[in-house]
Formats: sequence, structure tokens, C-alpha cells
Amino acid sequence: GIQVEQSPPDLILQEGANSTLRCNFSDSVNNLQWFHQNPWGQLINLFYIPSGTKQNGRLSATTVATERYSLLYISSSQTTDSGVYFCAVEANQAGTALIFGKGTTLSVSS
Amino acid sequence: ETGVTQTPRHLVMGMTNKKSLKCEQHLGHNAMYWYKQSAKKPLELMFVYSLEERVENNSVPSRFSPECPNSSHLFLHLHTLQPEDSALYLCASSHSTGGGGNEQFFGPGTRLTVL
Repeated sequence: GIQVEQSPPDLILQEGANSTLRCNFSDSVNNLQWFHQNPWGQLINLFYIPSGTKQNGRLSATTVATERYSLLYISSSQTTDSGVYFCAVEANQAGTALIFGKGTTLSVSS
Repeated sequence: ETGVTQTPRHLVMGMTNKKSLKCEQHLGHNAMYWYKQSAKKPLELMFVYSLEERVENNSVPSRFSPECPNSSHLFLHLHTLQPEDSALYLCASSHSTGGGGNEQFFGPGTRLTVL
């Protein structure tokens, strides 16, 4: 099945710093989503981005489907950005489910 | 209520108990999903329902039994669980399944502890 790899696994930042999280996937996809999981376990939708570039406030994402990767940019990080960021894909061939990466754990300190 | 809701939020049960997890979506979607998130492991798909019909069962033990009475409600019936079944159980919904264009939205999860 499709493989999803996220890097880095852990990231520690000072408040105000910028960061880039990467997601590589091994096959063509119908769907790619970025999530932020808060300390209580809730998965918050950040982007639905099977291709192209989107921006939402301090966050933006780019997916280059032909090269099978996606990037999540966080600018001017805040302590509330801390948590785990997941990339998840729905493979073209497999149909229904999202396959999740292992996540990037981000810690932002003041 | 908006989005996807799950009850209970926390559940502690013994190995001989029978309990049920409930999920309700208020988004008008036709597909619903159960995922399991164990410590130190990625989220894993358990079941997929489309228009109340199970379309995927990801080799889940029979002690987990899903039920989808209508497109807005999804249950996960639990019986004779093992301690290793302790995990965060997440429900999600989407407009439909497969074929692209199906952003999934997640509930807050039920944190299950099996003693």
C-alpha cells in the first residue's frame, strides 16, 4: 500500500520562528489533508490540498503531486501552534481511507 | 451541535464488559469512518460505511462490531476487549467515499481504557 513519511519527527521552536513540515508519499493520490491534533486528541482540519498552494493566515501548504510531496509552512509560530501535525492521503487505487503519516510533534516555547 | 460529535469522551471498562461508542455527524455527509489511534502509532482505519453500507473492514477483530443505522449515526459496539485495545477511537465523515474531493472531518474522539 501507499507509504506516507513525515519529517522531521520532532521540532522545537521559539515563539516567532518559521518552520516547514514535509510529507512524502509513495503513490499518486486523490486526496491529501493536513491536520493539527490538539492535546485533547481532536484532529483539526488545516488544509485539503491534493495539489497546488493554499494559505490560511499564518499557515500555508503546497502539494506537488507529480513529485509526491507536500509542505506545510508555519510562520511567526505561537505557543498555541504546539501539538502534532499529521499528513494523510487517499491513494488513487485504494479508494476510501485516509492513510496517515506518523506526524511531526511541534513544541513552541515563549 | 455542529460537525462531528462523539460520546462518551472517556470510557474505562473491564475486559468482560460490553459498551458502545456513538458518533453523530451534522454535515449532511454520506460516508462515515472509525479510526483507532494507539500510543506511538499512526491512525489506523477500522471501518468505512457509505450510505449505511459497510464498504471496508480493515481486518478488525470481531470483538469490535460497527453499526450504521442511518447516514448520520455510527456506533462501535465493544465486547470482551483486551488491554491492548486501549486507544483513542476517532470517528470521521465525508461527503462520499473514494474518487477524490472527499475531505474528511473528525470528531473529538473517545479515549478508551481497558482494565
